[in-house]
Amino acid sequence: AQKITQTQPGMFVQEKEAVTLDCTYDTSDPSYGLFWYKQPSSGEMIFLIYQGSYDQQNATEGRYSLNFQKARKSANLVISASQLGDSAMYFCAMREGGNAGNMLTFGGGTRLMVKP
Amino acid sequence: EPEVTQTPSHQVTQMGQEVILRCVPISNHLYFYWYRQILGQKVEFLVSFYNNEISEKSEIFDDQFSVERPDGSNFTLKIRSTKLEDSAMYFCASSDGTSGIYNEQFFGPGTRLTVL
Repeated sequence: AQKITQTQPGMFVQEKEAVTLDCTYDTSDPSYGLFWYKQPSSGEMIFLIYQGSYDQQNATEGRYSLNFQKARKSANLVISASQLGDSAMYFCAMREGGNAGNMLTFGGGTRLMVKP
Repeated sequence: EPEVTQTPSHQVTQMGQEVILRCVPISNHLYFYWYRQILGQKVEFLVSFYNNEISEKSEIFDDQFSVERPDGSNFTLKIRSTKLEDSAMYFCASSDGTSGIYNEQFFGPGTRLTVL
């Protein structure tokens, strides 16, 4: 089974609107972290936001917020007030276990296109 | 702000040749990683490195691959005899290991490897 699933291969959003990018995960480890990365067309991976499995509140970072529903094993990224520069691939990733050096497992990504 | 650097940005090689991809992680970081991304696909973990040894590796990381930290600053990935399917973007990442499960991995800009 896939550990990280992103069901939306591509999405459009109108500039200034909010958009939600879906991510579901599968783990039996009680300790895990969820990460979102942005990959613009230039190719680099830019860290956006993090949610820990024990965090009581949803993470927020500027225009990014994470809708964390632990029972449903989902960690959707919400981007408010979309900008043209938000057009990129977005990857959800998970680290399992308490070891700080553990690897990241990535989902297949969602390509977001912001329309002017 | 400190960043991970990678050289070269693009490498073209003939099948069967050896390549070495170079990375300079952030200077006080302790954990180092290599990931790869085949064009249009998700990012896949290859190997992690801590305390001068491999701590984790994926099934992709077979005997054709090796990693080294030759001089305390560089972190290299060697592919001994490249195959066509090794064509991908290779990302180096590093983390400081001080934040437990939240341990942001900082990614380099990537090296695009093309095997002809």
